[in-house]
Amino acid sequence: KNQVEQSPQSLIILEGKNCTLQCNYTVSPFSNLRWYKQDTGRGPVSLTIMTFSENTKSNGRYTATLDADTKQSSLHITASQLSDSASYICVVHISGSARQLTFGSGTQLTVLP
Amino acid sequence: EADIYQTPRYLVIGTGKKITLECSQTMGHDKMYWYQQDPGMELHLIHYSYGVNSTEKGDLSSESTVSRIRTEHFPLTLESARPSHTSQYLCASSDVYTQYFGPGTRLTVL
Repeated sequence: KNQVEQSPQSLIILEGKNCTLQCNYTVSPFSNLRWYKQDTGRGPVSLTIMTFSENTKSNGRYTATLDADTKQSSLHITASQLSDSASYICVVHISGSARQLTFGSGTQLTVLP
Repeated sequence: EADIYQTPRYLVIGTGKKITLECSQTMGHDKMYWYQQDPGMELHLIHYSYGVNSTEKGDLSSESTVSRIRTEHFPLTLESARPSHTSQYLCASSDVYTQYFGPGTRLTVL
């Protein structure tokens, strides 16, 4: 069964600190992996998208990494801000299927002042 | 900022009522989606459209129905709402690279 597992489920950090969120997947065949940020009560917003051949991609203070061999991805947030408080969702797209996205259940990040 | 809109944002209705959740996008995307998401849980695909007059059921069984008469419009209808339908409904559209989500409709059925 295609699965995407994220850890930790929740994380609390102080403003200004860095953090790393993990995503392990068993999806096959793999097309691309996406990280989304979802604020409470809002729709997810895309942060990064990486294909099989990409190891790292940055978007401002967000840096995503991908190891397609071990089927692991991480999202690193640098110098966290209060506005980073949100759920971060890892999504894997199955190759050859236009609609087949497998969603993780997300990591709930809380940044405290 | 994605140009995809959902109305209403919040809806509280009684059991048995018929409701339609609206979704529209101005990006000209052919592919559109409806997802259901309970608090703290992952998104589940309930409907998918490849384009006008093309719709499919998603991975999660749903009593709702959809229509796609125009490219920009993808409404979802519940003929008879029940408390089990209480959830957040997210609409999305996609280009080749990524999906763009609307703000969602929070539905509560009493």
